Amino acid sequence: QKEVEQDPGPLSVPEGAIVSLNCTYSNSAFQYFMWYRQYSRKGPELLMYTYSSGNKEDGRFTAQVDKSSKYISLFIRDSQPSDSATYLCAMSKVQGGSEKLVFGKGTKLTVNP
Amino acid sequence: DAGITQSPRHKVTETGTPVTLRCHQTENHRYMYWYRQDPGHGLRLIHYSYGVKDTDKGEVSDGYSVSRSKTEDFLLTLESATSSQTSVYFCAISTDREQYFGPGTRLTVT
Repeated sequence: QKEVEQDPGPLSVPEGAIVSLNCTYSNSAFQYFMWYRQYSRKGPELLMYTYSSGNKEDGRFTAQVDKSSKYISLFIRDSQPSDSATYLCAMSKVQGGSEKLVFGKGTKLTVNP
Repeated sequence: DAGITQSPRHKVTETGTPVTLRCHQTENHRYMYWYRQDPGHGLRLIHYSYGVKDTDKGEVSDGYSVSRSKTEDFLLTLESATSSQTSVYFCAISTDREQYFGPGTRLTVT
């Protein structure tokens, strides 16, 4: 079983839709949870960062963490064509004395005008 | 923008040749990382550094070496490139627990 699972999609929605992106994980040692957005041929860009169960909101984006179910989500409200990108979840753990990130494979999102 | 640049941005090389990719940061962050990104595999850690001359392996380190002689520069070397090393390579720096990525180097090994 992979440590982090993410549905690769692709996911296609109309403009204005609410988008839900999800990851599950198996390792209880993960302590911090992140979402990255990656536009085509660009580097990943940190969107959201959380460390506890519950919700964190930033504008149209809400990150949700449920540690008891080992499940994280990213919600995008009022989605825009500019949100079209690949979204990567990432989780951090301490290994060998250093903190490392484990990434999901990414979900490709297309928002259609 | 975390002040990370990568060079070259694109490179085509032949199997068996050595290749060095450079990552440069402007903000003196202690931790630096090299990842590769491939379809179906996502981002995978190759090597990382936690200080000058302090480096360690990641999950896919075979065939790669790294060096860090200055805080601002982290070099990734493919001693003898193979076609399986065709990939997009990203450098990252860490501030607390947040990682910020460079623009990437697209490497093709023919």
